[in-house]
Amino acid sequence: NAGVMQNPRHLVRRRGQEARLRCSPMKGHSHVYWYRQLPEEGLKFMVYLQKENIIDESGMPKERFSAEFPKEGPSILRIQQVVRGDSAAYFCASSPAEVEGYGYTFGSGTRLTVV
Amino acid sequence: AQSVTQLGSHVSVSEGALVLLRCNYSSSVPPYLFWYVQYPNQGLQLLLKYTSAATLVKGINGFEAEFKKSETSFHLTKPSAHMSDAAEYFCAVIGNQAGTALIFGKGTTLSVSS
Repeated sequence: NAGVMQNPRHLVRRRGQEARLRCSPMKGHSHVYWYRQLPEEGLKFMVYLQKENIIDESGMPKERFSAEFPKEGPSILRIQQVVRGDSAAYFCASSPAEVEGYGYTFGSGTRLTVV
Repeated sequence: AQSVTQLGSHVSVSEGALVLLRCNYSSSVPPYLFWYVQYPNQGLQLLLKYTSAATLVKGINGFEAEFKKSETSFHLTKPSAHMSDAAEYFCAVIGNQAGTALIFGKGTTLSVSS
């Protein structure tokens, strides 16, 4: 039973390029969450999605960042026109539907480096 | 709104010593509380969780945590540290409302010396 799959594990982009991060939730999980981790800052919540719906995007920067979780396929976090400050580890997590006490299962993350 | 504060960004113990990692929470509703561990270059792994059942929660790898409502705390302990416990530990809270996400503390790095 595969866990949460994130790819790529490492991504290098030049300033101004686009970064696309993919997340496939655990089988049977319909809720997906994206977090960003910077050194000394812990994990910052970005966005919470269900299939074809954004539930909470209060942690997403207003510009350049977007997320989707289509009916078919993985969830995608897209960062347009990347800047050096976007360099971080991005983690995806998933959980079953509406079971807040379940806790999340995390992927291994995508480490984005902007050069 | 929910939040957690982890006291001490770095904790160092000797192998065999007691591990105590502190977490205080703030929540306007009865909270669910979690501890996660992260090893270098890996994702987060759930250690244990409190979901309003027993206040003393036992987790994996010999860790446990006690929910104290009067102190708004959920400290993580282990009686005897092992070298393999060296990692970063995150406390997290979620309110029991639909449509909310886990909120994490800034993390505590645990170092274990021989």
